[in-house]
Amino acid sequence: QVQLVESGGGVVQPGRSLRLSCAASGFTFSGHAMHWARQSPGKGLEWVATISYTGRDIFHVDSVKGRFTISRDNSKNTLDLQMNSLRPEDTAIYYCVAEVGDRDFAHWGQGTLVTVSA
Amino acid sequence: VMMTQSPLSLPVTLGQPASISCRSSQSLVHIDANTYLTWFQQRPGQSPRRLIYKVSNRDSGVPERFSGSGSGTDFTLKITRVEAGDVGIYYCMQGTHWPYTFGQGTNLEIK
Repeated sequence: QVQLVESGGGVVQPGRSLRLSCAASGFTFSGHAMHWARQSPGKGLEWVATISYTGRDIFHVDSVKGRFTISRDNSKNTLDLQMNSLRPEDTAIYYCVAEVGDRDFAHWGQGTLVTVSA
Repeated sequence: VMMTQSPLSLPVTLGQPASISCRSSQSLVHIDANTYLTWFQQRPGQSPRRLIYKVSNRDSGVPERFSGSGSGTDFTLKITRVEAGDVGIYYCMQGTHWPYTFGQGTNLEIK
């Protein structure tokens, strides 16, 4: 079955960088779009970024545009989120989401916590 | 697209029905004619779990007590008889227009 395991979260100071990874298994990773979503106490659930199955089409929500970059390695079945210039408002649990069917958001990882604090 | 849920807090007596409303700021009908409105349940300490997709399709393993309905900009999640295991936060989400957006969440608790 579909498995998504996020890693890379932690405590980081404002202005610093962090890279999250998601290891995917149980489906043909290279054939499906992937996403990152986040959940913070103050702002609820927010869709952060989307990448097409080829990696050619990429979208980032306005609040992270220019600071975060989603990417994927279809040879390793991994999804990444490079987060630069982190702000306290980026503090959240970050989830990897697999779109296995058309706009199918059934598959979420367990999440990784990012805390941005001095 | 803004998603507005109501109520935000929903105390329910065991065995009684519950209903959650979700309204979008614009139509969720996609150019492919599908309406990508999804309902999630989130229990404390867990990831969101999909219950309903494309307005009214129940996921496997989701009890028949749960049903979704609606069209255009108005949607509803109904639970016919609330059980103790239904406690959690329920979110609607639109997957028609990027960026996909969620409602604020409805906290269902037992009275």
